[in-house]
Amino acid sequence: NAGVTQTPKFRILKIGQSMTLQCTQDMNHNYMYWYRQDPGMGLKLIYYSVGAGITDKGEVPNGYNVSRSTTEDFPLRLELAAPSQTSVYFCASSYGWGSYGYTFGSGTRLTVV
Amino acid sequence: ELKVEQNPLFLSMQEGKNYTIYCNYSTTSDRLYWYRQDPGKSLESLFVLLSNGAVKQEGRLMASLDTKARLSTLHITAAVHDLSATYFCAVDTNNNDMRFGAGTRLTVKP
Repeated sequence: NAGVTQTPKFRILKIGQSMTLQCTQDMNHNYMYWYRQDPGMGLKLIYYSVGAGITDKGEVPNGYNVSRSTTEDFPLRLELAAPSQTSVYFCASSYGWGSYGYTFGSGTRLTVV
Repeated sequence: ELKVEQNPLFLSMQEGKNYTIYCNYSTTSDRLYWYRQDPGKSLESLFVLLSNGAVKQEGRLMASLDTKARLSTLHITAAVHDLSATYFCAVDTNNNDMRFGAGTRLTVKP
């Protein structure tokens, strides 16, 4: 099993550009999450989804959008990239809420210049 | 708002020594998680603690949870170099979310 797959691994964007970070999981998990990790810090939740067609905001949603059309995929869209969005982005999934740890993807390192 | 504080943030210890990392949180929660992150890598789940008094052990690491004190500890026994990593605790917010601590960067020296 591949687990949680994120693409791309690295990306440099210019201010004002847009991009989509891809996330796919093959574990049939209902719950999926997007986190960002700034240098030397813990993770902060951007958006999450409890199933196909259902998404909700996390702690730091501004500047981002998500969709969940299938159980497997949970793309994160950055519109009008800003330097403050320079970070490492992690996608994660879990079977359910509360009783399970998360499975994390390998991360996308994004730099906005 | 739930706040999660870890200490110490940086820990340098010698091989063979014991040490404890602390994770305090500010509001009621029954679930706490410990993760390990190697430099430039993703997070790996270590422990899931689901109730007051829960204790879990894996190799040289042991985690415990005291929900009344809002405190979890990660105890390291006879540290070895391979344990060098950043360790995060994360607390369930009861709202489909985990709030992470800032992490403890552990370096084990020979």
